[in-house]
Amino acid sequence: ILNVEQSPQSLHVQEGDSTNFTCSFPSSNFYALHWYRWETAKSPEALFVMTLNGDEKKKGRISATLNTKEGYSYLYIKGSQPEDSATYLCASIPRGDRGSTLGRLYFGRGTQLTVWP
Amino acid sequence: DAGITQSPRYKITETGRQVTLMCHQTWSHSYMFWYRQDLGHGLRLIYYSAAADITDKGEVPDGYVVSRSKTENFPLTLESATRSQTSVYFCASSGGSGRARYTQYFGPGTRLTVL
Repeated sequence: ILNVEQSPQSLHVQEGDSTNFTCSFPSSNFYALHWYRWETAKSPEALFVMTLNGDEKKKGRISATLNTKEGYSYLYIKGSQPEDSATYLCASIPRGDRGSTLGRLYFGRGTQLTVWP
Repeated sequence: DAGITQSPRYKITETGRQVTLMCHQTWSHSYMFWYRQDLGHGLRLIYYSAAADITDKGEVPDGYVVSRSKTENFPLTLESATRSQTSVYFCASSGGSGRARYTQYFGPGTRLTVL
C-alpha cells in the first residue's frame, strides 16, 4: 500500500479567501500525481495530471505545483467561491518493477473544502 | 451515449443475498476499477482490471468477486451481502495514451443499502 497523505482533512473559508492544501506521497519510484475534484453527491472529476518536478498546472482560479524530490504537491484556490466547495483528492502513481506501472492510483483521503458566502 | 455507466443506481437488499453491480464503458479503456466510498476513508479500491481476463485485488477485496470477460464490462458481485457493505460504489476506467492515460473517469455511482 502506497501512503498518500492530505492535509488538512477539512477547511472552512469565507468567499473571496485564497486557500491551499497539501498532498504528500513517496518520492521514490514516482511516476505521476493526479488531482481530482469531488462534489457532494457527484463523481470525482480529474483536475490535473503532473509528472515532472517543478510542474505547475492552472485551471481558472485553481492551480497546482509538484515537487517530486521531496514528495509533495500543493493545490491553490485563489478567491474561493461557494461553488469551489468540494473534496479535493490527490492520487499518486508509482513506477513499478521494470519501469512500468500497474495503472493503479493510490488516493489520499482528501481535503474537504467548504466556502461560506 | 459514450461514457461510463453503472446500474442499478440504487439498490436495497438483505443480509445474505447475492448482489451484482454493473459497470459499462464505451471508450475501450483497458483499465477498470471498483471503489467504495466510506466516511473517513475517502475512496477505497476493491478490485481493478488491466485488461479483459486480468483482475487484481485492491485494498478491500474480501466479500467481493469480479470478472471481466469483455473489455467494456466489469461487474462487481457481493456474494453474500453484509451490513458493512452498505456504501456508495464507484466504477472507473482509464486508458488512452501518454502520461494522462491513467486519468480515471468515474461512473455516477451505485448507492447500495444492505438491511
